[in-house]
Parts: sequence; C-alpha cells; structure tokens
Amino acid sequence: AQSVTQPDIHITVSEGASLELRCNYSYGATPYLFWYVQSPGQGLQLLLKYFSGDTLVQGIKGFEAEFKRSQSSFNLRKPSVHWSDAAEYFCAVNARAYSGAGSYQLTFGKGTKLSVIP
Amino acid sequence: KAGVTQTPRYLIKTRGQQVTLSCSPISGHRSVSWYQQTPGQGLQFLFEYFSETQRNKGNFPGRFSGRQFSNSRSEMNVSTLELGDSALYLCASSPRTSGRVETQYFGPGTRLLVL
Repeated sequence: AQSVTQPDIHITVSEGASLELRCNYSYGATPYLFWYVQSPGQGLQLLLKYFSGDTLVQGIKGFEAEFKRSQSSFNLRKPSVHWSDAAEYFCAVNARAYSGAGSYQLTFGKGTKLSVIP
Repeated sequence: KAGVTQTPRYLIKTRGQQVTLSCSPISGHRSVSWYQQTPGQGLQFLFEYFSETQRNKGNFPGRFSGRQFSNSRSEMNVSTLELGDSALYLCASSPRTSGRVETQYFGPGTRLLVL
C-alpha cells in the first residue's frame, strides 16, 4: 500500500525567510501528488497538485513544489514566508489502495506544523 | 461556485448514541469522500461515494456508514458512539471525471465530541 512521510513534525521560520517542507511517498507507479494547508479549526485548502508533465508545479499563495521521481519526493517551497502562512501542511498521494489493484484513495502524511516568527 | 458545505459544524453526543453528518458537494461534483481527523491518527480515509454507490472504503468498523443521494449530497452515520470517535470529520468532493479520483476539495468539517 502507498504511504506518505513528512519527516518534520514542526518547523519554525522567521518571516521573510525561505521555506521547504519535505514529503516522501512510497508507491510503485507514478502517483498523483498534492499539498494541502489547514488553518486551526478549518478544513483543508488545496495549495497545488502534480499529475504529470513539468515536475515543478506552481500553486496558490506563492508556493511551489518539485516532483523528484528518483527520490520519491514532492517537497513544498516558498521563497519568502509571511506570518499568515502559519498553519499545518499536509502532503497527500492519490494511488491505489493496494499495490497493482484496488480502488484509488487519498493517503495523507501526518502533517508539518509551520510557525512563523514575526 | 459555492464550496463544499458540511452540517452541523459542531456536535456533542454521549457514548452509545448515534450521529448523522451531512455534506453537500460543489455543484457538478459527483464524488464525495469522507475523512476522520484526530491528533493521534491524523487524516484517515473513511469511504467514497460516486453516483450513489460506495466505491471505496477505508479500514473502519461497520459502525461507520454512509450514503449518497441522487443530487450527490452525502450523509455519514456513526452508530453506538465511542469516546474515540471524537474527531473532525471532513468531507471532500471531486468531479471524478475518470476512474481515478483526482483533485478533492474539502469542506470546513464537522467537529464531533463524544462524552
């Protein structure tokens, strides 16, 4: 079965600094990859997605992510963080529930909580 | 377009009771998925409905069930509530233009507290 690992539980950065949130996935074929953001007590907002094609994808709020097949990674980046970016970020993969068979479903990482120092 | 709406937003129940949560997807979306979010387990897939049929189910006990109506609105039911069912329940909708669920758009969630 597929899995998603977000190695960093909590990251703190200063406002204006650059940001990179790590995401590694485990899946035999090319997955559909997503990044979502969740503010406290809210639902999930889609930041960006990768299906195929250009491995560098642009999203909303100035975020981008790069798909690296060789590293099974889909890291999220932002050149300059704003205080309003403080939230929890989730990486997700849409893949078959079981290797080579079964229905597709969305599997999430455990999330990375981002704190921003003004 | 209006987003995904979920009702109620907050709910308090006691152990042994049952609860029904509602989700209205984005207009034109035919797939609705449900997720449970807890601090310990994170986001876990419950089930997906498409064209009034359950297409996929996560690893949850039979106390968790759902259905979808002809207008794509979906309900989720939890019977015989347990303390561990306290969670944020998220609904997501997708156009599901192919056999593979693509981009899912989430509602604000229903926060359930079981006492």
